[in-house]
Formats: sequence, C-alpha cells, structure tokens
Amino acid sequence: EVQLVQSGAEAKKPGESLKISCTGSGFRFTTYWIAWVRQMPGKGLELMGVIYPEDSDTKYSPSFQGQVTISADKSTSTAYLQLSSLKASDTATYYCARSYYYGSGGDLDFWGQGTLVSVSS
Amino acid sequence: QSVLTQPPSASGTPGQRVTISCSGSSSNIGSNYVYWYQQLPGTAPKLLISRNDQRPSGVPDRFSGSKSGTSASLAISGLRSEDEADYYCASWDDSLSGFKWVFGGGTKLTVL
Repeated sequence: EVQLVQSGAEAKKPGESLKISCTGSGFRFTTYWIAWVRQMPGKGLELMGVIYPEDSDTKYSPSFQGQVTISADKSTSTAYLQLSSLKASDTATYYCARSYYYGSGGDLDFWGQGTLVSVSS
Repeated sequence: QSVLTQPPSASGTPGQRVTISCSGSSSNIGSNYVYWYQQLPGTAPKLLISRNDQRPSGVPDRFSGSKSGTSASLAISGLRSEDEADYYCASWDDSLSGFKWVFGGGTKLTVL
C-alpha cells in the first residue's frame, strides 16, 4: 500500500525554525518526485517546490524560492520541508505528494495527510 | 492571483449535473494536460482526473473531465451530498521559467 506519512502538528513562535518530514512506503521512493504544497487557512493550494530523492534535484516555485528549503534522504525514503524565521503568515497546512513525472504528464497521485503548522507569539 | 482561473463557487441539488470550469492560456491548458483534485472538508486533496479525462482507479464514473482549447471542465453527474468539497484544476505552464506546475484557485461546491 502506497503511503506518505507526514510528521505531526507543530506550534511555533515567530523567528523559530521548523523541519517537516514526509516518509514514503509501498513504492520506490527514489523514482518519484515529491512535491510540497501549502494551504493557508481557508485558502487554496500553492505548490512550493519539488525534489527528486534519487539525486536531490530540487525546483522551487518563485514565490517560495529562498524562503524554504526542500531536501530528501533516500536512505530513509523521507523528504523534508524546512521553514526558517517563521512568521505568523507561515501558519498553514503543508502537504507532501508524489508524482512520477515532473512535467506536463505528471500528476500528484498520492498525498500525505498534511502537517498543520501554527505560528503565534 | 492564480494562473488558472476557476469560479470560486458552484452549487447543485442532489441528482443534478454540475460543471466546474478552469480557464487558462495557450502556454498551459492549451498545450498541456489538465488535472483535477478533490479536497473534502478537513482532508488532504485527492487526484480525481488525470491527463484531461482519465479517472484513477476508484474514482466513480460520475466524474468526468474534458478540455477544449485553453479551457477545461470537470463535470459531476448524479450529484451527491458527499461530493461537497473544494475542486482544483492544475496544469503545466511552458511560459514559466523554473517551476512550471500551476494550480487554479479552487471552486467550492455546495450540494443544496
């Protein structure tokens, strides 16, 4: 069974950092792109970036370039999303999802359960 | 402002057929596949339609996708209360540098 299991909810203070994990199982992790998607409260889906765990090739959406860091550890089939200098506006649910292709033919066919991040003083 | 444009809301009564539109341009929908995702309240999104009109395993045939020119549509026939959700279209945009996946802003479907 394909699964993407994300780390649990986090409550942080402004200025702190955070690293969310997404662990895949039931499929060959290194042959899929892993995408990170942000959903702010009551808002739509925003693609943040993707990583190919086999060689850590990473691509960021312009809106998130320089603001977040995406990484992966293929030995543990885990992708990470790092957020630094957190602000209240980083409060959101963050999802990981997989795609076999990074291209026109790529769809996000399995999603993690989401990680709720709350940033408040 | 999303690259793909969807109506913010749609509604229908049980049993009715509803459609949700997704408008783009020649650099995205006009020359690339369209995908649709369903997000039920409080849950993660789920792939509903792949490559314009392909239903993944387990998706009821009440859901169908189509594309014409620079627009795409999701149709839901025999509307049911459990279809109440947010629906997002997505595509690839050749005109963007770097990251090329784009989402629509989402449509909230209400079953009256």
